[in-house]
Amino acid sequence: NAGVTQTPKFQVLKTGQSMTLQCAQDMNHEYMSWYRQDPGMGLRLIHYSVGAGITDQGEVPNGYNVSRSTTEDFPLRLLSAAPSQTSVYFCASSYGGGRFLMNTEAFFGQGTRLTVV
Amino acid sequence: AQSVTQPDIHITVSEGASLELRCNYSYGATPYLFWYVQSPGQGLQLLLKYFSGDTLVQGIKGFEAEFKRSQSSFNLRKPSVHWSDAAEYFCAVGRSGNTGKLIFGQGTTLQVKP
Repeated sequence: NAGVTQTPKFQVLKTGQSMTLQCAQDMNHEYMSWYRQDPGMGLRLIHYSVGAGITDQGEVPNGYNVSRSTTEDFPLRLLSAAPSQTSVYFCASSYGGGRFLMNTEAFFGQGTRLTVV
Repeated sequence: AQSVTQPDIHITVSEGASLELRCNYSYGATPYLFWYVQSPGQGLQLLLKYFSGDTLVQGIKGFEAEFKRSQSSFNLRKPSVHWSDAAEYFCAVGRSGNTGKLIFGQGTTLQVKP
């Protein structure tokens, strides 16, 4: 059972380059999210999705785009990388639970360490 | 505003000593509360969670936490710390019905002395 898989694990970009961080989950979870982790700031929510075709902004969305065409995948796109986007990025998924069931905790991928030079 | 505060950035304890990590939250709705642990270079692993019911919850690795609504706290405890517990610990809060949108504390780094 793979859980939440993120690729790549490490990436170095030059300022102005674009790239996509991949996230896939095999647990049929409705909710998927992207967080960035910076020293002393914990994890901050970038974008999240409550199902295929539905996305919304989190606390720090500027400079990032997302889309959710399938339940399994939730890619994060950096349109024009900036040094301020140097961070560790985590993707997470959780089960929505539906109307009568309790939803679950978030399961996290192993992270992508991104450096923008 | 919704927030989570972990007042202690670094904590050092001796192996075998007891541990308490503090977490205070500000959240308008009924909170779902979590503690996650992160070893260096790794992702986040869930230690325990509180959704409802008994306010003292047991987790993995011998950890427990107590939800105190009157104090808006969810402190993590362990009676006897092991060297392998050295890691960073995060408290997080989410809304009932949407755990895809979590608010995290700043994290507490635990160092264990032999």
